[in-house]
Amino acid sequence: TQLLEQSPQFLSIQEGENLTVYCNSSSVFSSLQWYRQEPGEGPVLLVTVVTGGEVKKLKRLTFQFGDARKDSSLHITAAQPGDTGLYLCAYDNYGQNFVFGPGTRLSVLP
Amino acid sequence: NAGVMQNPRHLVRRRGQEARLRCSPMKGHSHVYWYRQLPEEGLKFMVYLQKENIIDESGMPKERFSAEFPKEGPSILRIQQVVRGDSAAYFCASSATGPGAEAFFGQGTRLTVV
Repeated sequence: TQLLEQSPQFLSIQEGENLTVYCNSSSVFSSLQWYRQEPGEGPVLLVTVVTGGEVKKLKRLTFQFGDARKDSSLHITAAQPGDTGLYLCAYDNYGQNFVFGPGTRLSVLP
Repeated sequence: NAGVMQNPRHLVRRRGQEARLRCSPMKGHSHVYWYRQLPEEGLKFMVYLQKENIIDESGMPKERFSAEFPKEGPSILRIQQVVRGDSAAYFCASSATGPGAEAFFGQGTRLTVV
């Protein structure tokens, strides 16, 4: 099982700021998924990236899959308090299960 | 609400007792996964089940933990003789066609062992 690293571990910013969080590994993946987990809730799938270099936008969120398919980033523009949560990346482990990174805990202050 | 339903949401057990966590998948989903999340950590895979079959239990401790997904009724994660280290949030997810498909998570059961 390959490991996923996420950085930063914690991030606290003011409303309106931009931010980028990262998901890295030394392994190549066929796809990566990004989830957001709010306190007291289960993770919710945001996006799946499949193609190297792919960029997907979801309103103020921009997801990019690295050219070599080893890493991914999530950029949030003009962050809002509603963006607060734990952002998790995950990969499909040979069709058996999903392996999650440790997450980036984001706090957006009003 | 046709989402993944987990109950109870919160469970308190004394050391040595048994904990039973239930998960009803989304309608039409026959693939269920259990994950454990410790405070301030990501999710760790425990077990993957289809109806009446355990497909992959590589993430589940060999002792005290068991899981089932009967033909009728919810999936059950059972922890016998709980210890303080079992305190965590346990999440269930379901999908329609296996791990390659989108998985939907329940709200979790927060187990506290006192």
